[in-house]
Amino acid sequence: KQEVTQIPAALSVPEGENLVLNCSFTDSAIYNLQWFRQDPGKGLTSLLLIQSSQREQTSGRLNASLDKSSGRSTLYIAASQPGDSATYLCAVQGGAGSYQLTFGKGTKLSVIP
Amino acid sequence: NAGVTQTPKFQVLKTGQSMTLQCAQDMNHNSMYWYRQDPGMGLRLIYYSASEGTTDKGEVPNGYNVSRLNKREFSLRLESAAPSQTSVYFCASSVQGMLDEQYFGPGTRLTVT
Repeated sequence: KQEVTQIPAALSVPEGENLVLNCSFTDSAIYNLQWFRQDPGKGLTSLLLIQSSQREQTSGRLNASLDKSSGRSTLYIAASQPGDSATYLCAVQGGAGSYQLTFGKGTKLSVIP
Repeated sequence: NAGVTQTPKFQVLKTGQSMTLQCAQDMNHNSMYWYRQDPGMGLRLIYYSASEGTTDKGEVPNGYNVSRLNKREFSLRLESAAPSQTSVYFCASSVQGMLDEQYFGPGTRLTVT
């Protein structure tokens, strides 16, 4: 069974800092990996999707990397802002013979003004 | 373009009652999904519909039924609600199959007493 772990569970940083969120998965036979953002009481917003053949994807201040062989991904947020405060979820597609998305428990980010 | 919409936003049920959660998407997507999110756990797939007229079980289907009413709508039914079904339920859709990027609705917060 595919398992996804996100470290740390919570992170608090001052505004303007660059930060890295980590995601690891147990089965490297994945099709893709997605990073989502979830605001309190809201649904999920897709931030970046990395295909298994790609090494990274960028969108604005966000950069996600994928090292499939080692079962790791990182989400880099540059020049953090209070509006970045949310829970960030990592999800992998595939592994353990399934096409399903397997989610991590998330990292709760607080950016302090 | 509303994306994925879900009704109701909140619901309280007594044990043994039944109800149907509604989901609709206006993106002309073929595939739709139902997930549940519980504290301390990642989102888990309940059921999915790869295309109109088909449905398949996900990781946690027990206690639920689904109907793909048409291309736009995918409903989730609890026939006899149990306290273990207290959760936040998310509907999602994708263009064509699980390997595509999934777009999520705002969620339904369900409490079973």
